Amino acid sequence: EVQLVESGGGLVQPGGSLRLSCAASGFTVSSNYMSWVRQAPGKGLEWVSVIYSGGSTYYADSVKGRFTISRDNSKNTLYLQMNSLRAEDTAVYYCARDPSTSGSYGGWFDPWGQGTLVTVSS
Amino acid sequence: AIRMTQSPSSFSASTGDRVTITCRASQGISSYLAWYQQKPGKAPKLLIYAASTLQSGVPSRFSGSGSGTDFTLTISCLQSEDFATYYCQQYYSYPSITFGQGTRLEIK
Repeated sequence: EVQLVESGGGLVQPGGSLRLSCAASGFTVSSNYMSWVRQAPGKGLEWVSVIYSGGSTYYADSVKGRFTISRDNSKNTLYLQMNSLRAEDTAVYYCARDPSTSGSYGGWFDPWGQGTLVTVSS
Repeated sequence: AIRMTQSPSSFSASTGDRVTITCRASQGISSYLAWYQQKPGKAPKLLIYAASTLQSGVPSRFSGSGSGTDFTLTISCLQSEDFATYYCQQYYSYPSITFGQGTRLEIK
């Protein structure tokens, strides 16, 4: 079964750092395009970052320069390093797989992890 | 960035109803559109991609149509488990993906 399980969320002060993890099973993280998507409390979905199967990375303007996406192929795990956190970064963070097997992107997400809550507050 | 606007933002319907949700893109996106269903406290679930392709395992009462700037998600006969929030998502400008603001479907 294809599954994603996030961890690492919690309460952090403004300006602090946090690293989220997303453990995958049933497929190989490095063979797919993998993204992070967040959802602020009571709000809609916002794409955050993607790592291509080839290793290229891209970020939303709102997190560029502060967040870093990476993966550990030996652990089949995706990460999101979040630095200089702000109150507006408070959200549930989901990891999600682009299911395309063509070597390029499909553009949609399936499956999604269950999410991990990040709260930035003093 | 491409802006996605859904309408209505929320509405109520009854089981057995046929409902349609609309998603409009701020510029043409061909058929690079997906639809998701999200229930409270849960992750989004993929329903449709490429504007009209039903994801495996999704009931056939769900359908999608449209291309260019205007898209629709139709549920032909509402079931109790369909009451949820629905999001459209464009991937024409990948990797700059954007979502609609969501449509909340409630029980009348």
